[in-house]
Formats: sequence, structure tokens, C-alpha cells
Amino acid sequence: DAKTTQPPSMDCAEGRAANLPCNHSTISGNEYVYWYRQIHSQGPQYIIHGLKNNETNEMASLIITEDRKSSTLILPHATLRDTAVYYCIGRSGNTPLVFGKGTRLSVIA
Amino acid sequence: KAGVTQTPRYLIKTRGQQVTLSCSPISGHRSVSWYQQTPGQGLQFLFEYFSETQRNKGNFPGRFSGRQFSNSRSEMNVSTLELGDSALYLCASSLESGTRGGELFFGEGSRLTVL
Repeated sequence: DAKTTQPPSMDCAEGRAANLPCNHSTISGNEYVYWYRQIHSQGPQYIIHGLKNNETNEMASLIITEDRKSSTLILPHATLRDTAVYYCIGRSGNTPLVFGKGTRLSVIA
Repeated sequence: KAGVTQTPRYLIKTRGQQVTLSCSPISGHRSVSWYQQTPGQGLQFLFEYFSETQRNKGNFPGRFSGRQFSNSRSEMNVSTLELGDSALYLCASSLESGTRGGELFFGEGSRLTVL
């Protein structure tokens, strides 16, 4: 599965959109991009996933570039409760999800 | 709908002992995965079971084992505990098919301390 690269940390002002980038330049055609987050002391939480089209759900939007080499997770109106580590993961078939170090997002009041 | 339930939530063992952790998946989920989380190594994949068969295995020594029962409940066992096995052990369940299989629902974890 594709190796993903994320910035180690980011800050975002409360109420603003949080845009979390992920680079996956080696992604293959059948690999999906999954996003998870982990709030301190809790198990990771699934957010969204996509292949090549942009996706949106009640939690976030996922924008995947046309060449699929990178993607951005967008939290439209960040709140303090969105402070967490966010993981971007590439996966195909029934392979296990392999979590990297992720991005530590701090939402600041 | 009940979430993923892990027991026990906390436990303390001494070196050389063994431990068994239990996981009850969300009703209807047939796949159960186990992860170990430590401050130094982050989240590491242990193994995945589907329909009582181990489908994927991570890079852990044979002291770590697991199984899944016909009702999809799963257990993992760690024998001959070492200090480095102190960690949060997370169980996750998912639907088995295709991309939905990547939507994992995690429990709150079992925190193991080895003294």
C-alpha cells in the first residue's frame, strides 16, 4: 500500500476550516485513501475515505487531486473537540490499515 | 447499536505471566482487527480475523496470538509477558466486504501494564 506523508503538526483557529494535507505519490490505481482521527486516550475514529472523486459526509470533506498523488481533509468549522491526531492511510483490497505518525491538529480558541 | 466492547479495560501483570484480552464486535461485523499502541511505536497492526480465520498478520513475535469465535467475538493472548508489552491494545471491527472493510470501529482499548 502507498506510503503517505503528513505534516507532524498543525494549528487551526476555532471556527475556521482546518485543511489537513496528505501526500501519497506512490498510490496505485486501486488504492483508496482513508482518514481517521484519534482523540487523546480514545480509539481511532473513522472519518471518510475516497478513491478519486471528492467525498463529503457529516464530519468532513475529502479532496483528492486529479493525479491522486495527494489529498486534503477539510473540517469546515473546527471546534476544540476536533483537536486530535489525524491519520491518512492508503489501502487496497483486504489489506490491513497501517497507521503512520499522522498530523497532530490543535484547534485554538 | 452497541459499539465495540473490550474487556478488561485495565490490567496489571508481571513479567513472565500471560494475559488474555477480549473483544466483542459490533453486531453484524465479521472482521475483527487488533492493534497495539505505545508512545514509541504508535499504532501497530497485530492481526485480523474474519470468519474464525486469521486473514492478516502483523510483524509481532509468536507470543502474540489470537482467535475468533463463531459469534465473531475475538480474544488475543500474550504469553511470557515482557516489560515492552505494556501498551494500549485496541480492537476494531468492520464489515467484511470491499472498501467498507476499511471502515474500522474501534473499542476503547485494554491498557496493559507489565511490571
